[in-house]
Amino acid sequence: DVVMTQSPLSLPVTLGQPASISCRSSQSLVYSNGNTYLNWFLQRPGQSPRRLIYEVSKRDSGVPDRFSGSGSGTDFTLKISRVEAEDVGVYYCMQATHWPPWTFGPGTKVEIK
Amino acid sequence: EVQLVESGGGLVQPGGSLRLSCAASGFTFSVYWMSWVRQAPGKGLEWVANIKQDGSEKYYVDSVKGRFTISRDNAKNSLYLQMNSLRAEDTAVYYCAIARGLDVWGQGTTVTVSS
Repeated sequence: DVVMTQSPLSLPVTLGQPASISCRSSQSLVYSNGNTYLNWFLQRPGQSPRRLIYEVSKRDSGVPDRFSGSGSGTDFTLKISRVEAEDVGVYYCMQATHWPPWTFGPGTKVEIK
Repeated sequence: EVQLVESGGGLVQPGGSLRLSCAASGFTFSVYWMSWVRQAPGKGLEWVANIKQDGSEKYYVDSVKGRFTISRDNAKNSLYLQMNSLRAEDTAVYYCAIARGLDVWGQGTTVTVSS
């Protein structure tokens, strides 16, 4: 199974400042068709997860452009250009390239300082 | 509006059974793979199972193989998860989601396995 790791696991941030979360996979997430199936989700307190980014860098509809995804192979990053109060929650990366099973990272808890 | 609504959760004793349902609306249910994902209290997300559009292919995480069965009824726009031989470690919120990269999730239903 592909193991996903994230760092940091806890991220205190200042409103208006940038934030960055790293996600690493135990093997390359490039699929045989050349696509990389790495997604990012945000779970706000008390809510269901919501997908923000798919295939490394494609933003879902309605996701603010302050969120961006990048990376390749085994190394990926989610960046928030200017953190807003509504960005608080737990962020998960997930790989869907090598399955079963789909695997999630442990989550990064973002909170306001 | 695309919507997924789970139901069927509750309190069950170890070794017992439960059947979860997920009602889909607002999209053509029959053309998508579907998923179940769970989240134990205070823990992260864990993918549980996927089912193909016509139900001909099903995949499970190792920890539930032989105990859980995913199924669907396209005529009723519904997804199911039959859970047998439940264990304390199956206690979680269970979400159904469209397996289109998990872009749409339900609100979840809570399963508690305890004596």
